[in-house]
Amino acid sequence: QKEVEQDPGPLSVPEGAIVSLNCTYSNSAFQYFMWYRQYSRKGPELLMYTYSSGNKEDGRFTAQVDKSSKYISLFIRDSQPSDSATYLCAMTTSGTYKYIFGTGTRLKVLA
Amino acid sequence: SAVISQKPSRDICQRGTSLTIQCQVDSQVTMMFWYRQQPGQSLTLIATANQGSEATYESGFVIDKFPISRPNLTFSTLTVSNMSPEDSSIYLCSVMTPDTQYFGPGTRLTVL
Repeated sequence: QKEVEQDPGPLSVPEGAIVSLNCTYSNSAFQYFMWYRQYSRKGPELLMYTYSSGNKEDGRFTAQVDKSSKYISLFIRDSQPSDSATYLCAMTTSGTYKYIFGTGTRLKVLA
Repeated sequence: SAVISQKPSRDICQRGTSLTIQCQVDSQVTMMFWYRQQPGQSLTLIATANQGSEATYESGFVIDKFPISRPNLTFSTLTVSNMSPEDSSIYLCSVMTPDTQYFGPGTRLTVL
């Protein structure tokens, strides 16, 4: 079993839809959770990071962490074609720089 | 945040040759990392490069194959040596800031 599981997609949605991207993990010691967006032929770009459980909102993006279920989510409201990219989750324990990444979910927002 | 550039952005190389990838950061950082990204797979950490010390390699990666230099706090190189088609991948440089890790644009390597 991988430490971090992420559905590879592709996930296709119409413009304006609410998108839900998810990762599950097995290591209960993970404390920091990140979401990266990666456009084709570009490096990953940090979208959001959260510490421990709870929600964090930034514009159209909301990150949610449920440590009891070992489940994290990224919600995108009012999705736009420019949101079409691969979304990577990453997580790490406290006091370490070693991030564990999901394989990424490819999202397509159709105009 | 940090702005990271990499050279070359892509290359096509012959089997048995070596390629050196450069990573430049716009600010001084202690920790720099090199990752490999293969299609359908997670980002895989190759090694951590701290200025003034030898790089620390992850399991499955060795210095003879992936020598790394870190001459100062804004620059690092990764060499992919004696390449084979299995080394075809995207190689990413990353840095650690007080917030989190930031990534460069990547180097797309194809080995024939």
